[in-house]
Amino acid sequence: DAGITQSPRYKITETGRQVTLMCHQTWSHSYMFWYRQDLGHGLRLIYYSAAADITDKGEVPDGYVVSRSKTENFPLTLESATRSQTSVYFCASRPTGTAYEQYFGPGTRLTVT
Amino acid sequence: KNQVEQSPQSLIILEGKNCTLQCNYTVSPFSNLRWYKQDTGRGPVSLTIMTFSENTKSNGRYTATLDADTKQSSLHITASQLSDSASYICVVSGGYNKLIFGAGTRLAVHP
Repeated sequence: DAGITQSPRYKITETGRQVTLMCHQTWSHSYMFWYRQDLGHGLRLIYYSAAADITDKGEVPDGYVVSRSKTENFPLTLESATRSQTSVYFCASRPTGTAYEQYFGPGTRLTVT
Repeated sequence: KNQVEQSPQSLIILEGKNCTLQCNYTVSPFSNLRWYKQDTGRGPVSLTIMTFSENTKSNGRYTATLDADTKQSSLHITASQLSDSASYICVVSGGYNKLIFGAGTRLAVHP
């Protein structure tokens, strides 16, 4: 199916475990983004990527690692999960050009116990 | 500090009624302002995007206004439907990949 997908949709993990959230888009958009959404707060940017092999930190990058070996995939890894990383994570993509809309995936709800 | 504040936090209206959601921002520099709709358990979906020179933009029953002088925006929903129940998020772009998100207004439309 065309669009932007995330997997898994729900994940429960324990403190200290490594977990990877997947994001895949079929539009060949240059830019991809990872956000987290916490209750009572706006979405906050974790990392973004302007193209394959080009990534940059956002507002809240600590504790997260990203990679982008292919244009269509942008995985987010929590190397050692902490309870404060319990959140809903959204991946987004957009074409080149700052005025273009970002298209969001359905989100991954992550709980760290 | 770059901020986007939305009011009210939540709102309940009856089906068929109109409502207006507010957004105040202190983002600088300003590139554009967007309104998104987020259904429960889904990602945000764009409703409108306005640049500095635009002061009104419509998308069906949704009409957004922008006053760049006072740094205020509003989203007016006309003849609400049950499917309008969602969170509405105001987002201000401060330039290259710099989006500042408001916390959203949660709207519930009751029959």
